[in-house]
Amino acid sequence: QVQLVESGGGLVKPGGSLRLSCAASGFTFSGYYMSWIRQAPGKGLEWVSYISSSGSTMYYADSVKGRFTISRDNAKNSLYLQMNSLRAEDTAVYFCARDQLGTHAFDIWGQGTMVTVSS
Amino acid sequence: DIQMTQSPSSLSASVGDRVTITCQASQDISNYLNWYQQKAGKAPKLLIYDASNLKTGVPSRFSGSGSGTDFTFTISSLQPEDIATYYCQQYENLPYTFGQGTKLEIK
Repeated sequence: QVQLVESGGGLVKPGGSLRLSCAASGFTFSGYYMSWIRQAPGKGLEWVSYISSSGSTMYYADSVKGRFTISRDNAKNSLYLQMNSLRAEDTAVYFCARDQLGTHAFDIWGQGTMVTVSS
Repeated sequence: DIQMTQSPSSLSASVGDRVTITCQASQDISNYLNWYQQKAGKAPKLLIYDASNLKTGVPSRFSGSGSGTDFTFTISSLQPEDIATYYCQQYENLPYTFGQGTKLEIK
């Protein structure tokens, strides 16, 4: 069964750090680009970052550039998002998602993990 | 950044109705346009990719069309389980951007 499961969310103070993880199963993880997408409470979807299948190429939204780092461990079938210098506006549900081959459509999503930045 | 504008923002329709949502891009995105369905409290699900291709397993009452800057998403006969928010998303340019969403309710 193709599945993505996020973990690592929680409550953190402004300026703090958090590392999200996404465990993949049921498919050849190393063959796919992966992305993080977030959704603030009651708001729409915002793409955050993506990483190529090998991990050699990463892109970020301007809103997180310089603060967030995406990475992956293909041996562990895992995707990560290191979030530093967190701000209140980073409060959101964070989803990991698989890029469908050849289209950059997000065809498989995790259930999401909530990150709350508050003092 | 490419701006994606969906309309309407919300929509109320009856079971069996034909429902249409539009998505307009701020610049030409060819057919690099995807549609998602998000039910309350759940992760989004991909329905349509590359403007008009139905993802395997998605009911055929869902369809998409368009190219360039103007796109349409249609449900041919609304079912109760289609209650959700629908989003378009472009991948012509980074950053990938989503429309603001269309909330669909049953009348």
